[in-house]
Amino acid sequence: AQSVTQLGSHVSVSEGALVLLRCNYSSSVPPYLFWYVQYPNQGLQLLLKYTSAATLVKGINGFEAEFKKSETSFHLTKPSAHMSDAAEYFCAVSDKGGSEKLVFGKGTKLTVNP
Amino acid sequence: DSGVTQTPKHLITATGQRVTLRCSPRSGDLSVYWYQQSLDQGLQFLIQYYNGEERAKGNILERFSAQQFPDLHSELNLSSLELGDSALYFCASCSGLLVDEQFFGPGTRLTVL
Repeated sequence: AQSVTQLGSHVSVSEGALVLLRCNYSSSVPPYLFWYVQYPNQGLQLLLKYTSAATLVKGINGFEAEFKKSETSFHLTKPSAHMSDAAEYFCAVSDKGGSEKLVFGKGTKLTVNP
Repeated sequence: DSGVTQTPKHLITATGQRVTLRCSPRSGDLSVYWYQQSLDQGLQFLIQYYNGEERAKGNILERFSAQQFPDLHSELNLSSLELGDSALYFCASCSGLLVDEQFFGPGTRLTVL
């Protein structure tokens, strides 16, 4: 069965600092991996997705993630945090593609300090 | 705006009652998914419909049921409600193509008192 582990339920960074949100997955087949962001009182918005093409995936709002098969990881990074990045971030895995059910991690709440 | 609409936005009801949550997918999307987000369980997949037929089932209780209508909107029915059913219920839609992504609605917050 697939699963996702997000290390750190809360991450706090200063504005302008590097953002690193960790995600490790478990899947018996080549996975499809996603990062979603949820702003307060809103639905989930896709940041980026890995679908077995390039291992370094660029998304919206300056975020990117690197798929590392040997480490079963798909960590999300952004070089310089902005106050507007404060939100909850979810990593998700699917075994067959974006149109199949998603298995989500528990989420990481990002706080950005001025 | 994802193009997925959900009604109502908030719902407060009592234990033992039955409610219906409604979802309208993005124009042209054939797949609809329901997810439940709660503090203790996180985000969990409940059920998927594709062009009117059930496609996949997740951790959906027997007290819960769903359907997708010919116009592709979907309804999630929750009955014999318990306090633990209080959660945010999201609907998502997708074209059905494997390389596509799911677009999420704003959610319905259900409070069971």
